[in-house]
Amino acid sequence: GAGVSQSPRYKVAKRGQDVALRCDPISGHVSLFWYQQALGQGPEFLTYFQNEAQLDKSGLPSDRFFAERPEGSVSTLKIQRTQQEDSAVYLCASSAGNLYSGYTFGSGTRLTVV
Amino acid sequence: AQTVTQSQPEMSVQEAETVTLSCTYDTSESDYYLFWYKQPPSRQMILVIRQEAYKQQNATENRFSVNFQKAAKSFSLKISDSQLGDAAMYFCAYTLGNTGNQFYFGTGTSLTVIP
Repeated sequence: GAGVSQSPRYKVAKRGQDVALRCDPISGHVSLFWYQQALGQGPEFLTYFQNEAQLDKSGLPSDRFFAERPEGSVSTLKIQRTQQEDSAVYLCASSAGNLYSGYTFGSGTRLTVV
Repeated sequence: AQTVTQSQPEMSVQEAETVTLSCTYDTSESDYYLFWYKQPPSRQMILVIRQEAYKQQNATENRFSVNFQKAAKSFSLKISDSQLGDAAMYFCAYTLGNTGNQFYFGTGTSLTVIP
């Protein structure tokens, strides 16, 4: 597609519920990133894929967070047993591979855990 | 630790005037790239301008320019002839050139443009 598409745009989850957030990157972009943006903060790195390989997951805050990109295109960020502190905007970005060109970001999923 | 500091949580500017947003960063690496991103209410981060750390010449993109002071680790953004559409959150960020697979963002500056 023309841009990075994320769904759903908004998600409300009850504490303890599992959620899955989807990211559809720009076609042909090999690199895909997930960021977490808490209210009033800048985005913080969660994880990075190059094609289907997850090369860096150092930013995932706990083992309740899991990301996958099985075919090297669409990616899913899954959060198990959601907690209130998981409430944030989750941004996905993709890149053709040249970091200097920057990322193309999606519009994010706002997750609210109640 | 890699950190980015934006000391101005909020700024305002009159339409058609000039405003400067400040940013300092801290890294011990010598090879890195610097960026300013704009985030409107739609939440999508939009690249405004970028600068390679090894280049001394300040980057310029139309009404946007930077003042890059490498020794001081400062990377400010100047917006000239401000327009209503410039109103947004602005984030300063950098990535490392050799191992860079993530961006380090500041906490942002909210810019209001007054008509």
